[in-house]
Amino acid sequence: SAVISQKPSRDICQRGTSLTIQCQVDSQVTMMFWYRQQPGQSLTLIATANQGSEATYESGFVIDKFPISRPNLTFSTLTVSNMSPEDSSIYLCSVGGTKGTGNTIYFGEGSWLTVV
Amino acid sequence: AQSVSQHNHHVILSEAASLELGCNYSYGGTVNLFWYVQYPGQHLQLLLKYFSGDPLVKGIKGFEAEFIKSKFSFNLRKPSVQWSDTAEYFCAAIFNTDKLIFGTGTRLQVFP
Repeated sequence: SAVISQKPSRDICQRGTSLTIQCQVDSQVTMMFWYRQQPGQSLTLIATANQGSEATYESGFVIDKFPISRPNLTFSTLTVSNMSPEDSSIYLCSVGGTKGTGNTIYFGEGSWLTVV
Repeated sequence: AQSVSQHNHHVILSEAASLELGCNYSYGGTVNLFWYVQYPGQHLQLLLKYFSGDPLVKGIKGFEAEFIKSKFSFNLRKPSVQWSDTAEYFCAAIFNTDKLIFGTGTRLQVFP
């Protein structure tokens, strides 16, 4: 399995500010994804992080609000921009797909953000 | 649209009771299925997965799930639950893309 490290693990952020979350994987993987888990809810896919090109966003998520970078096969960042209390969530990095980790999706421990 | 549904939102059991959590998906093609567990205050962990072959899949901690293609189902079972099984359980699927789609989750509470 892949070992995924996320930073920060927790943060309290001021309204209107932006925060960048980092995701580091211990091996090269083809697919990297970012999910959001709002309090008491299930996981929602934000976007697929594409290496060397723009991320692919799901309906309801836009690049201006959630810019994503993926400079190589082991690292990605998600920025939550101009935060509001509604952005208080757990943000999870995940890796896998049909290549690299044998069709299994693995998750990092998540970044717990509280916006005040 | 491709989706995963979990009809049991909240399940309460006593220790040693048997557990079955429902999971259905909507897609007629090849599907990879997963169950994840999230213990209180912890991150998501993989319980088990099905890609192909034997439709009865055994996972960690005594859990198993059965893939029934004709019913589009992948129910999670455990013959005897423990208090430590209290957690949120998520069914998820990969359809014809590499994206993992989650169900809404089932909260399981086990009382001693």
